[in-house]
Amino acid sequence: EDKVVQSPLSLVVHEGDTVTLNCSYEVTNFRSLLWYKQEKKAPTFLFMLTSSGIEKKSGRLSSILDKKELFSILNITATQTGDSAVYLCAVLGGAQKLVFGQGTRLTINP
Amino acid sequence: ETGVTQTPRHLVMGMTNKKSLKCEQHLGHNAMYWYKQSAKKPLELMFVYNFKEQTENNSVPSRFSPECPNSSHLFLHLHTLQPEDSALYLCASSQEKDYSYEQYFGPGTRLTVT
Repeated sequence: EDKVVQSPLSLVVHEGDTVTLNCSYEVTNFRSLLWYKQEKKAPTFLFMLTSSGIEKKSGRLSSILDKKELFSILNITATQTGDSAVYLCAVLGGAQKLVFGQGTRLTINP
Repeated sequence: ETGVTQTPRHLVMGMTNKKSLKCEQHLGHNAMYWYKQSAKKPLELMFVYNFKEQTENNSVPSRFSPECPNSSHLFLHLHTLQPEDSALYLCASSQEKDYSYEQYFGPGTRLTVT
């Protein structure tokens, strides 16, 4: 059965800190890994990763995929209170099925 | 209106009621999805429609019945629900056949079954 596991489940840091969120997966016929940010209701798309070792970057956020070790990390540098959210990792595998992890709840304290 | 919209935003229904959730996308996408998000559980994919054809049903109970009359509208018909069906129901859309493309989510309908 396809599985996506995120860690930590919850993280509290101070504004300005750097955080690393983890996502490991077991899926058949891996196609891509996606990161989403969910604040109040609707998740918003952050990154889609398909190739190992190629960092995707958007402002203070960056992400990289390791297809050999089956994981991805999402880094946020110089965190701000507006980064507080649940970060979701999802993997697209065989049968075009998108499987989500439990999410990491990130809280940034001023 | 742009993006993906969902109505109603909140719904309280009894176990014997029949109600429908509506989703509309204004992005020109051809694939639409229903997700269920329960407290402390991962987001669960329920149904996928691609060019109005249902391409995936993730073992969802028959008390949930989807309908996709065209590529811009998606409904979820609800009847004889159980209290454990209380959750946030999210609709999403994406471009055509490759679900790995970014999915745009609606704001969700918060459903409470009493």
